[in-house]
Amino acid sequence: DTEVTQTPKHLVMGMTNKKSLKCEQHMGHRAMYWYKQKAKKPPELMFVYSYEKLSINESVPSRFSPECPNSSLLNLHLHALQPEDSALYLCASSRTPQETQYFGPGTRLLVL
Amino acid sequence: QKEVEQNSGPLSVPEGAIASLNCTYSDRVSQSFFWYRQYSGKSPELIMSIYSNGDKEDGRFTAQLNKASQYVSLLIRDSQPSDSATYLCAVKRSGNTPLVFGKGTRLSVIA
Repeated sequence: DTEVTQTPKHLVMGMTNKKSLKCEQHMGHRAMYWYKQKAKKPPELMFVYSYEKLSINESVPSRFSPECPNSSLLNLHLHALQPEDSALYLCASSRTPQETQYFGPGTRLLVL
Repeated sequence: QKEVEQNSGPLSVPEGAIASLNCTYSDRVSQSFFWYRQYSGKSPELIMSIYSNGDKEDGRFTAQLNKASQYVSLLIRDSQPSDSATYLCAVKRSGNTPLVFGKGTRLSVIA
């Protein structure tokens, strides 16, 4: 089983809203990732959590705030986003930071 | 800047033919190599991973790795219209390092 789940599937938010994206896996994976993907572009790494600690932050604006409450859950808190933040947000996980990453279905975000 | 290069395509092949997708990478110390398939509007799905020089086969898919030439390819035999998608090549160093993606090759299998 290589299932990573993400909620919600779709999200529309205004620039003043606060919302959160959720990612969950029950495979015992100890590394979890957030990616942003714009149309016709490859996924772009945002954050990496390794053993529940933030290990990589790819200079992401502070309006994106990740959280890893436990080894199965990863959240991405969104606040004061801009229309250019509209994208597909992908969560991925891997057994360890060195191993193969498996992607969730993504959350399609539209910022108005 | 570590780079992964792919021809963006579209690569058009007739149904039943072999599709050949190519990828070159610049980081000589790369250790792990992956092919992901991504249908339009969906998330990337792992097709193959390869770590050693040579060929690795899984059903209709064969990944080929040549570290000396810094080249990795994916062959799809007996291509089907359902194989039409964007194929992303991804490369990784050892350790807690990011996965570096190419821009993807769009494959179109014509019935």
